[in-house]
Amino acid sequence: SQQGEEDPQALSIQEGENATMNCSYKTSINNLQWYRQNSGRGLVHLILIRSNEREKHSGRLRVTLDTSKKSSSLLITASRAADTASYFCATPFGAGNMLTFGGGTRLMVKP
Amino acid sequence: DAGVIQSPRHEVTEMGQEVTLRCKPISGHNSLFWYRQTMMRGLELLIYFNNNVPIDDSGMPEDRFSAKMPNASFSTLKIQPSEPRDSAVYFCASRGQGVSYNEQFFGPGTRLTVL
Repeated sequence: SQQGEEDPQALSIQEGENATMNCSYKTSINNLQWYRQNSGRGLVHLILIRSNEREKHSGRLRVTLDTSKKSSSLLITASRAADTASYFCATPFGAGNMLTFGGGTRLMVKP
Repeated sequence: DAGVIQSPRHEVTEMGQEVTLRCKPISGHNSLFWYRQTMMRGLELLIYFNNNVPIDDSGMPEDRFSAKMPNASFSTLKIQPSEPRDSAVYFCASRGQGVSYNEQFFGPGTRLTVL
């Protein structure tokens, strides 16, 4: 079963605008990860935020984590057409740090 | 490094046939995962290997599915007999140790169509 749920399921914006995607999860975690999937490709790791962090930046990406609300957000600033992809949040479970993925947000950035 | 390698990239087969999907993880990685992705169910973890040993196969849907990892550089996922509902994209991912312990590296996937 999916632990994380992304919101919205789909998002369409113009190039240059910011894109915000949200993720909610159910159980306690020690970190949360975001992945990107381009059409027809495998997932690519973007960023990891630990449970003791509230915000993290990587280039045009900004991730927040609110453990009290069991939610995270991914912000892509100054979006580009190349950012068009599906974005997934993932949370670890089990002794082996396996991952469970949310349903993803499909982002379309129009040039 | 070439990344995680999967073969074939596309497979079309008829119901009842045996299907074997192959994966070569990134050299030095000691964890390997098989996932299945469909529109209806999203991305599902099928099985997790650590140091070539299956640790968690609770996601394997039925006895028709089996996975092996005979050595650190090769794994297979077999479906026998295949059914149309097995149609999906199957991903293999590997993970290293140390600072990259959390990040998984995905292969390009195998798109399976069972007619």
